[in-house]
Amino acid sequence: AQKITQTQPGMFVQEKEAVTLDCTYDTSDQSYGLFWYKQPSSGEMIFLIYQGSYDEQNATEGRYSLNFQKARKSANLVISASQLGDSAMYFCAFFHTGRRALTFGSGTRLQVQP
Amino acid sequence: GAVVSQHPSRVICKSGTSVKIECRSLDFQATTMFWYRQFPKQSLMLMATSNEGSKATYEQGVEKDKFLINHASLTLSTLTVTSAHPEDSSFYICSARGGRAGPGELFFGEGSRLTVL
Repeated sequence: AQKITQTQPGMFVQEKEAVTLDCTYDTSDQSYGLFWYKQPSSGEMIFLIYQGSYDEQNATEGRYSLNFQKARKSANLVISASQLGDSAMYFCAFFHTGRRALTFGSGTRLQVQP
Repeated sequence: GAVVSQHPSRVICKSGTSVKIECRSLDFQATTMFWYRQFPKQSLMLMATSNEGSKATYEQGVEKDKFLINHASLTLSTLTVTSAHPEDSSFYICSARGGRAGPGELFFGEGSRLTVL
C-alpha cells in the first residue's frame, strides 16, 4: 500500500519569504501522481499543483513549484514570496493511477507572519 | 473552470436520524466520484469510490450499510449517513473527475460539516 508522509505538523514563515513543505512517499508503482492542496479554515480543498511520475520537469504554478526528486521519493512544495493569505493547512496527496483515488498525507499547517 | 458543489454545507441532526449529502458536478460529467471524511485536525480519508450506474466501492473499515452512496446520474452522487450517531460527526468532502479527465483534473466540493447531537 502507498504511504505518504508529511513530517512537519506546523511551519512558520515571514511574509515575502519562501517556504518549503516536505512530502515523501513510498510506492512500488511506476505510474502515479503527486498533488498538493491548500485547505483554509473554511474547509474547501484548493488545488495547487500536480506532478506526474513521468514528468521530467518540476511542475510550477505561479508562486508554487514542486521539487520532485523521484529517486528519493520526495515531492516538496515550494511557495515563493509568501503572503498572509497563504496561511492554511497544506496536504500532499498520492494519486493512484489504477484506482484513480488520492491518499492524503497528514498535512502541514503553515502560518505566515507579517 | 469545472466546479463541484456540495449540499448542505452544514447539517445538525439528532442521533438516530439519517442525513443525505449531495455532490454535483456543475459543468462536466463525472463518471467517478470519491467521498472522503475528515475528522478535526486530521487528514482526509477515502471512504468510497462511486461510479455512475454501478455500486460503490468502499474502503476497508467503512460500513457500506451505514454510508449509502448512490451515483444515479453523471452529475450527482449522494452520501446518506443512516442512523447517525455522534461519532459520525465529521467533515465530508466529495471529489469528482470526468471520463476523459487527466489525473490533474480532480475537483473537490466545498465539503459538508455534519454534527450529530
